[in-house]
Amino acid sequence: DVVLTQTPVSLSVTLGDQASISCRSSQSLEYSDGYTYLEWYLQKPGQSPQLLIYGVSNRFSGVPDRFIGSGSGTDFTLKISRVEPEDLGVYYCFQATHDPLTFGSGTKLEIK
Amino acid sequence: QVQLKESGPGLVQPSQTLSLTCTVSGFSLTSYHVHWVRQPPGKGLEWMGVMWSDGDTSYNSALKSRLSISRDTSKSQVFLKMSSLQTEDTATYYCARITTRGFDYWGQGVMVTVSS
Repeated sequence: DVVLTQTPVSLSVTLGDQASISCRSSQSLEYSDGYTYLEWYLQKPGQSPQLLIYGVSNRFSGVPDRFIGSGSGTDFTLKISRVEPEDLGVYYCFQATHDPLTFGSGTKLEIK
Repeated sequence: QVQLKESGPGLVQPSQTLSLTCTVSGFSLTSYHVHWVRQPPGKGLEWMGVMWSDGDTSYNSALKSRLSISRDTSKSQVFLKMSSLQTEDTATYYCARITTRGFDYWGQGVMVTVSS
């Protein structure tokens, strides 16, 4: 199974600062069709996960441009510029390239 | 609008079978795939399996021997059945719609506790 390793496990950020989360895969996430099925989700406290980024770097509808996804192959990053209070929660990367589909272990973002 | 809602028993006894229903609205099960994802208390997300729009299914190999996903398109419902439940199966169970852009809609989740 593909293992997605997220770092750091937790992150404490001052409002207005930038946060960066890494997701490293045990295998390349580029599918045979050339697409990379790597997504980022945010789970706010007490809520279901919500989609932020798909296809490595595409923001889902309504997601602020403060959220920036990047990377390729096995190394991916989610950057959140100008962190706001509503950004707190647990961030998960997810891959749908290989079966079984897998989530990263999560990164908890706290506000200082 | 698009909605998914999970339903099922909140408490299941060990060794018994869990039956959950995901009722969807705002889209057709023959056009979109619906997945099941679970989350033990205080832990991360685990992909369980999928009902593809064509009626086929795929399962997480770790759960495959115990898991079955089916559907009733006339009722817009997807069903999950998992047998031989143990305490480690205690979790919130979510159904979610997926597109090429990812899981764009999720249900609110249903908490299932496995306990005698």
